[in-house]
Amino acid sequence: AQKVTQAQTEISVVEKEDVTLDCVYETRDTTYYLFWYKQPPSGELVFLIRRNSFDEQNEISGRYSWNFQKSTSSFNFTITASQVVDSAVYFCALKTSNTGKLIFGQGTTLQVKP
Amino acid sequence: NAGVTQTPKFQVLKTGQSMTLQCAQDMNHEYMSWYRQDPGMGLRLIHYSVGAGITDQGEVPNGYNVSRSTTEDFPLRLLSAAPSQTSVYFCASSPGLAVYEQYFGPGTRLTVT
Repeated sequence: AQKVTQAQTEISVVEKEDVTLDCVYETRDTTYYLFWYKQPPSGELVFLIRRNSFDEQNEISGRYSWNFQKSTSSFNFTITASQVVDSAVYFCALKTSNTGKLIFGQGTTLQVKP
Repeated sequence: NAGVTQTPKFQVLKTGQSMTLQCAQDMNHEYMSWYRQDPGMGLRLIHYSVGAGITDQGEVPNGYNVSRSTTEDFPLRLLSAAPSQTSVYFCASSPGLAVYEQYFGPGTRLTVT
């Protein structure tokens, strides 16, 4: 069975703090894909990143960085120097190569206070 | 490019009524899917399609029907609305199965009274 767990339901930080959103996944497949999506208060879903199971290289994009560790089945997302505009619900998701279905975690609501 | 479009944005139904949520994409994507979003549960897959004429069930298909007569359109039908179907519905598309990210429509907020 495939499963994605985002244990943090809500996180509140003050602007300029760093924050890490945790994502733990379960799958028996050797080839799979991990995603992060952002859902701002306006409601749309915005794609942030995709990571393949055979590529454990971490990625940095501006203030965003992602740490993928197969040994712990985790794909964590860090926002450095958070801003109010980062306030949103963030979803981690898993897709396996044999089904193509996207399985979402429950989401983490991030509130960044000025 | 319009991307993925959904209509209507908001809808209120009475228990037992039927309706169709429309979804269209102009990116020539083969894969389309429908999700519902409920508080604390993330997004759950209702139905999906890997191409015109091919559909399959997702995680929560009961009470919903789909069809895919064209590559562009993937409507979701509620046969007899129930309060448990109150949710936000998202349609998504992608060029293929696993490796590609999915592009989401703006969502339809449905309330069943």
